[in-house]
Amino acid sequence: SQQGEEDPQALSIQEGENATMNCSYKTSINNLQWYRQNSGRGLVHLILIRSNEREKHSGRLRVTLDTSKKSSSLLITASRAADTASYFCASGPNNAGNMLTFGGGTRLMVKP
Amino acid sequence: GAVVSQHPSRVICKSGTSVKIECRSLDFQATTMFWYRQFPKKSLMLMATSNEGSKATYEQGVEKDKFLINHASLTLSTLTVTSAHPEDSSFYICSATGLAGFYEQYFGPGTRLTVT
Repeated sequence: SQQGEEDPQALSIQEGENATMNCSYKTSINNLQWYRQNSGRGLVHLILIRSNEREKHSGRLRVTLDTSKKSSSLLITASRAADTASYFCASGPNNAGNMLTFGGGTRLMVKP
Repeated sequence: GAVVSQHPSRVICKSGTSVKIECRSLDFQATTMFWYRQFPKKSLMLMATSNEGSKATYEQGVEKDKFLINHASLTLSTLTVTSAHPEDSSFYICSATGLAGFYEQYFGPGTRLTVT
């Protein structure tokens, strides 16, 4: 079931700018994951951050996690037109095995 | 990386017919597979969780007699939409995980179902 919210729902920026997306969740988690989805396609796993981690980097991606505020952010630096996609956070709760609960997603448009 | 495939990628069927969608893990054994439904410009809604060899666990509001899920092997799960209606038209996505405690899910490319 849907429990997370993402902010903003849509974001339009110029190539080279940074894009920041935020995600909030409601229950305690074991981990939080970020996924990317190109229009009409499946999801691609970007990064996983565990509940005992505060920040994680992968290439141009930087993810933060604040468990006290039940929120996470995804920063894409030096964006490219190819980064245009929808980005979803998904939380993995403590007591439900591998089940993920997805946020509403942010549609990112990077203009060349 | 782990690869999950879905077949078919697109299907158009007439109202009242049944449609089967396959989800396969190509290079790993999937102990758990998940089925999601996604409406246009919306997020993924989990429909059900299936573990190999056992009955699927359906999310609240999902009709188990309408969306039949079979996970007969560690590499294959199927979703059958029975007596399809136009409102069942959607994008259906499966995902799979391997070892217990390994939290990353690998997603299939999705199946676009259109019921006319």
